[in-house]
Amino acid sequence: NAGVMQNPRHLVRRRGQEARLRCSPMKGHSHVYWYRQLPEEGLKFMVYLQKENIIDESGMPKERFSAEFPKEGPSILRIQQVVRGDSAAYFCASSPREYADTQYFGPGTRLTVL
Amino acid sequence: QQQVKQSPQSLIVQKGGIPIINCAYENTAFDYFPWYQQFPGKGPALLIAIRPDVSEKKEGRFTISFNKSAKQFSLHIMDSQPGDSATYFCAASMRSGGSNYKLTFGKGTLLTVNP
Repeated sequence: NAGVMQNPRHLVRRRGQEARLRCSPMKGHSHVYWYRQLPEEGLKFMVYLQKENIIDESGMPKERFSAEFPKEGPSILRIQQVVRGDSAAYFCASSPREYADTQYFGPGTRLTVL
Repeated sequence: QQQVKQSPQSLIVQKGGIPIINCAYENTAFDYFPWYQQFPGKGPALLIAIRPDVSEKKEGRFTISFNKSAKQFSLHIMDSQPGDSATYFCAASMRSGGSNYKLTFGKGTLLTVNP
């Protein structure tokens, strides 16, 4: 059973470009969570999605960030018009149920904004 | 507002030593306290977790001690090995209530175990 997959693993963007981060949950998992890890910081919750629904986006910046989890395909975290402060590691987790104690994390995407 | 405070920021021990990492929380609604281990370039992996109805939980060389009245919990690694060198994060969440899926993390402790 493959774990949570994220791609790309490393992404370099120039200021003003768009970044698209993809997350494929573990087989059988229908709940997806995105966390952001800034340098020398812990992970911070961004958004929780179920198939075709955003359940909680309280940790997402109000502008430039969006997330989706379509019926088919991976979950996508999209950052428009990136700025240097967006440079971070973005981790996706998935779970079979709506509880933190069942979350499994992917390897992360490290975004660098030049 | 940082809801989970972790210390120390970094820790160096010799092989066989017992590193101790401490965390303190503020929200008394938290009822699930996991520890994650993260190696460079990897995602966090669940190491061990505890609920507030017990004061200690042991799995292999890893032990969590929990003090509900002080709102503190700590990770002890017995007989530490160089392979334990990693960043350790404590976290907390509420299993009941509206945000039972949301993990709140500490800032992490970089542990180095020298041979």
